[in-house]
Amino acid sequence: DAKTTQPNSMESNEEEPVHLPCNHSTISGTDYIHWYRQLPSQGPEYVIHGLTSNVNNRMASLAIAEDRKSSTLILHRATLRDAAVYYCASTTSGTYKYIFGTGTRLKVLA
Amino acid sequence: DTEVTQTPKHLVMGMTNKKSLKCEQHMGHRAMYWYKQKAKKPPELMFVYSYEKLSINESVPSRFSPECPNSSLLNLHLHALQPEDSALYLCASSRTGGSNQPQHFGDGTRLSIL
Repeated sequence: DAKTTQPNSMESNEEEPVHLPCNHSTISGTDYIHWYRQLPSQGPEYVIHGLTSNVNNRMASLAIAEDRKSSTLILHRATLRDAAVYYCASTTSGTYKYIFGTGTRLKVLA
Repeated sequence: DTEVTQTPKHLVMGMTNKKSLKCEQHMGHRAMYWYKQKAKKPPELMFVYSYEKLSINESVPSRFSPECPNSSLLNLHLHALQPEDSALYLCASSRTGGSNQPQHFGDGTRLSIL
């Protein structure tokens, strides 16, 4: 099974960029990298996903290493509403099965 | 507002009770999932349904019984649960279940076993 690891917690000042790392040590060539975030008392919310090249959407950017063993979620200007637990995830050999990382709790300081 | 609706939001039950969790989506998605999430841990996959057929069972004990009556509904039947089964149970859906498709999660049912 794919194994994904993340730092337990990170802090950022409001309106500054945040780079959240994830290691995908056992990811295979066809497995997409996904990022979700979870606010208290809510289910995970989709943020972004990609396969090999960097991706941008209205919420964030995703940078994927050339060997795909790591990825970085970039929030360009953190706001207080971005405080959440961020999970990276990847599927297993192209199946429906997500393996979630351990999650990074992001604290945003006003 | 989430597009995946789970009911009830909270459930307290005894170890001998039988109850069911319900999940509904109207996005036309054909893959639906059940996850279990313990406090301060990531979600763990339990079951996957694809086109109303069970495609993945992650060795879940038989006291959890999933059912997919149609493409919009997913149930999880509970019977003779143990205190360690207390957790947040999340339902999710995706368009067809491929690796490149994001999953849409409900807000979960918080289950407590007395």
